[in-house]
Amino acid sequence: DAKTTQPNSMESNEEEPVHLPCNHSTISGTDYIHWYRQLPSQGPEYVIHGLTSNVNNRMASLAIAEDRKSSTLILHRATLRDAAVYYCILRDAYTGTASKLTFGTGTRLQVTL
Amino acid sequence: DGGITQSPKYLFRKEGQNVTLSCEQNLNHDAMYWYRQDPGQGLRLIYYSQIVNDFQKGDIAEGYSVSREKKESFPLTVTSAQKNPTAFYLCASKGVYNSPLHFGNGTRLTVT
Repeated sequence: DAKTTQPNSMESNEEEPVHLPCNHSTISGTDYIHWYRQLPSQGPEYVIHGLTSNVNNRMASLAIAEDRKSSTLILHRATLRDAAVYYCILRDAYTGTASKLTFGTGTRLQVTL
Repeated sequence: DGGITQSPKYLFRKEGQNVTLSCEQNLNHDAMYWYRQDPGQGLRLIYYSQIVNDFQKGDIAEGYSVSREKKESFPLTVTSAQKNPTAFYLCASKGVYNSPLHFGNGTRLTVT
């Protein structure tokens, strides 16, 4: 399985933009990049995913490097409610319904006033 | 509303007892997953299932067992053979191909 590498922790001030990096140098051509976040004592929730082009949704933006070996999750204006652990994982588009989906340790984002 | 229900939220057991954690989904998803999370750690895959009556071991299956008799249900049994069962257990399901994972809110198991 292709692996991802993320910083253990990051800090941000409230209402500032946050850029969360993820390295995936062994990504294959059919791997999608998915991001999830986990609030304390809850299950992770889906944030965004992409393949090659940059993606935007109501929660965040995903910027994917041209060589696809890295990506960045962008929170445009961090709030205290964005304090969570953010996970970047790779998903093969052609392995059918179920595949062995593994998570790393993610990046713990702290947001301060 | 569709979703995944894990019950109970908190579970306490004595060492040496088997315990079964419930996971039910009404999303009509074929794939279901069980993860374990220890304090300050990421998620580790225990078992996953693609369809009814089929499941595969994940990275840390020893001491655990599962069944998938119905599409909606994927219970996890933590057996007495699991040496460190105290953890936060998360169940997830997924639709076809590239659809996102949907997680339940977890069961926190404490074994003393």
